[in-house]
Amino acid sequence: DAGVTQSPTHLIKTRGQQVTLRCSPISGHKSVSWYQQVLGQGPQFIFQYYEKEERGRGNFPDRFSARQFPNYSSELNVNALLLGDSALYLCASSGGLAGGYEQYFGPGTRLTVT
Amino acid sequence: AQSVTQLGSHVSVSEGALVLLRCNYSSSVPPYLFWYVQYPNQGLQLLLKYTSAATLVKGINGFEAEFKKSETSFHLTKPSAHMSDAAEYFCAVTNSGNTGKLIFGQGTTLQVKP
Repeated sequence: DAGVTQSPTHLIKTRGQQVTLRCSPISGHKSVSWYQQVLGQGPQFIFQYYEKEERGRGNFPDRFSARQFPNYSSELNVNALLLGDSALYLCASSGGLAGGYEQYFGPGTRLTVT
Repeated sequence: AQSVTQLGSHVSVSEGALVLLRCNYSSSVPPYLFWYVQYPNQGLQLLLKYTSAATLVKGINGFEAEFKKSETSFHLTKPSAHMSDAAEYFCAVTNSGNTGKLIFGQGTTLQVKP
């Protein structure tokens, strides 16, 4: 079975531009979470979507937004890019919300802002 | 609020030696705890998880961790290090109500010397 997939793999953008990152969860998984991992740090939670509804938001500015589609895939959008947005963006999917559901991570999208 | 502290950003061991990576957590509710491994330029792979069952948890690749509530710790161990264990290790905490929002530690880089 295919794991979590993310596209694109790498991306280079200029300050002030906008970017859209995409994630396809494992088949049957309805929960998708997004994380930002700055070089040398642990991942930071950005958003969680479950059944197309936002279920959690981390401490990120409104320039960050996301949505989940009927097929449970998800997009993360970042507007007005800053140099500090350069990071590895990870998507994770899980089969449910509560209980012992574990998250499965994709390979990430490496975003470089110049 | 929940948080994770990983003691030691870099740990170096010889091949065949004991691996001990330390993780302490803070949580106002019963925690779920996880250890993930990240190889260069890859996403995160789950090593093991604690979800309020047995306090000694066995994971993949010979790793195990023990949940100690009195010490608020969840240290990761492996009896004998292998060269392939060299990677970045992250401890993470969440709660049973929603496992889609993981709070990660800063990570520990494990170096294995021949």
